[in-house]
Amino acid sequence: NAGVTQTPKFQVLKTGQSMTLQCAQDMNHEYMSWYRQDPGMGLRLIHYSVGAGITDQGEVPNGYNVSRSTTEDFPLRLLSAAPSQTSVYFCASSYSPGTPSQETQYFGPGTRLLVL
Amino acid sequence: GDSVTQMEGPVTLSEEAFLTINCTYTATGYPSLFWYVQYPGEGLQLLLKATKADDKGSNKGFEATYRKETTSFHLEKGSVQVSDSAVYFCALKLAGGYQKVTFGIGTKLQVIP
Repeated sequence: NAGVTQTPKFQVLKTGQSMTLQCAQDMNHEYMSWYRQDPGMGLRLIHYSVGAGITDQGEVPNGYNVSRSTTEDFPLRLLSAAPSQTSVYFCASSYSPGTPSQETQYFGPGTRLLVL
Repeated sequence: GDSVTQMEGPVTLSEEAFLTINCTYTATGYPSLFWYVQYPGEGLQLLLKATKADDKGSNKGFEATYRKETTSFHLEKGSVQVSDSAVYFCALKLAGGYQKVTFGIGTKLQVIP
């Protein structure tokens, strides 16, 4: 199993550009999440999904869109990049309730984004 | 709301020293508690967890005990190694359905030879 994969690893954008951060998992997890990591702030939840076709907002959703057309994929879209979106982005997945390891999150390696 | 408090560091220790990283929490319900570790350039990975009061999670020589009376989950290791240098995140999650994982800010540990 590859686990949780993310692409690209690093991206530079200009203000106003759009892009999609890709995330895929091969563990058949129902739950998937996007976080951003900023110094002194830990990880903050952007959006999450509890299954294909179902998404919801986290703590800091503004400026980001998500969709979940398949169990495996959960892309994050930046609509019009701003310098405040410079961050490291992590995708995570976890099992659904009722499974022994339901509470453990599995993280991808991250995407480092710089917005100029 | 729910929150996790830990020092940001960095914590600098010599090899074979004793490690304690404090973690306290506030939660509206009865959470499960976690320590995640992030090595340089990588994503977070689960180090250990505890799901009820007085449970002790352990892994790779690290331990943490769920203390409901003090709302704490301090991470300890008896003898650290250079390879333990990383950022350590304390986290909590409430039970039931999709529940947001609340992370602390992370504590950077530097172990010097």
